[in-house]
Amino acid sequence: DARVTQTPRHKVTEMGQEVTMRCQPILGHNTVFWYRQTMMQGLELLAYFRNRAPLDDSGMPKDRFSAEMPDATLATLKIQPSEPRDSAVYFCASGLVQAGGSSYNEQFFGPGTRLTVL
Amino acid sequence: AQKVTQAQTEISVVEKEDVTLDCVYETRDTTYYLFWYKQPPSGELVFLIRRNSFDEQNEISGRYSWNFQKSTSSFNFTITASQVVDSAVYFCALSERASGTYKYIFGTGTRLKVLA
Repeated sequence: DARVTQTPRHKVTEMGQEVTMRCQPILGHNTVFWYRQTMMQGLELLAYFRNRAPLDDSGMPKDRFSAEMPDATLATLKIQPSEPRDSAVYFCASGLVQAGGSSYNEQFFGPGTRLTVL
Repeated sequence: AQKVTQAQTEISVVEKEDVTLDCVYETRDTTYYLFWYKQPPSGELVFLIRRNSFDEQNEISGRYSWNFQKSTSSFNFTITASQVVDSAVYFCALSERASGTYKYIFGTGTRLKVLA
């Protein structure tokens, strides 16, 4: 039963500290998404990768957030320095776009990382 | 502009009642996908269904059914004989082919409470 995994599941840190969240997409999927969920804003897209290349990070605060895919089995989302307003649940999702972009399958979500910045 | 509206913020029903969750979308694309996800109290987003814009056939899966109507830009979700385990937040999402990324536009979610 293939699943997206995320670590850590919970993270409590102090303002100013660096936070790194990790995601392992489902093997064979070629797209990875990072979302943030808060009560006020709902689910927001932060970044999107296809075939490990970043295609859209317009939803991400550039000054403190960065997203990378060092290899096909790992995606990372880093916040440096963290602020209390970054407290949220961060979801990673993976999916498969067919060759040529002709069609798309659903995204599968990981369990999320609940981040609390004090 | 693309948009997904879930006008019902919260719905409460008594167990065994039927309930319909509404989803209205806006898009200019002719090729798009619609999705429903369930987010139980555990927090994980669980995929329920995907529909592409060329397939208006309604779908039934056990107690769940979906009604896709392009004429009204709606993709509604009905739970028949609701159960306490159906209590969750349900999200409708739109993904457009024209965007190139197939990124999701989520609705704000409907919180369903099923009371015993």
